[in-house]
Amino acid sequence: ETGVTQTPRHLVMGMTNKKSLKCEQHLGHNAMYWYKQSAKKPLELMFVYSLEERVENNSVPSRFSPECPNSSHLFLHLHTLQPEDSALYLCASSQMRAGGSYNEQFFGPGTRLTVL
Amino acid sequence: RKEVEQDPGPFNVPEGATVAFNCTYSNSASQSFFWYRQDCRKEPKLLMSVYSSGNEDGRFTAQLNRASQYISLLIRDSKLSDSATYLCVVNLGGYNKLIFGAGTRLAVHP
Repeated sequence: ETGVTQTPRHLVMGMTNKKSLKCEQHLGHNAMYWYKQSAKKPLELMFVYSLEERVENNSVPSRFSPECPNSSHLFLHLHTLQPEDSALYLCASSQMRAGGSYNEQFFGPGTRLTVL
Repeated sequence: RKEVEQDPGPFNVPEGATVAFNCTYSNSASQSFFWYRQDCRKEPKLLMSVYSSGNEDGRFTAQLNRASQYISLLIRDSKLSDSATYLCVVNLGGYNKLIFGAGTRLAVHP
């Protein structure tokens, strides 16, 4: 596997279900990101992990719960979602360089989520 | 006011045409600037960074005007394969926080 992978690619869930999205990066990066892309809206940053520590939560509702067990893996745990949460969820990774700057973000293919 | 504003298009142009996209951003503290390309139902991919001095990559030229908070992308000699949505992106720094525009859709026809 190369780059950034995400599973599942498609997910349909009911409002009472609990599910998890998985992201894995094979680039040796030390920062990972979750984004949400709704129809006709810009990508919205949800969470940032740097060196496995959550460093940004962009006012995301608690029904979305991220987890970063190591620098290669990122999860997004979902519970009691609403139909308006239906969107494309994209994971990205980048490398923090010495001095604190970052190189470009590489995106995974996304998980297309439908909440019924 | 949106943080990054773009004309949504679509821009419908024939092959070989020159097309220009514009973008404005609201945060004067923005540190770096990019154009990403997103094909239908695919992830965004970096097209090019944008520098104040202007930069070119083959048929693509990007320009940044910090005083006006304005970014542009020029595509010369359009190809069918250029059909995509072009996303204007600013980096606010910190933990590499990217702010995306909603994108401009380009359709190149024969």
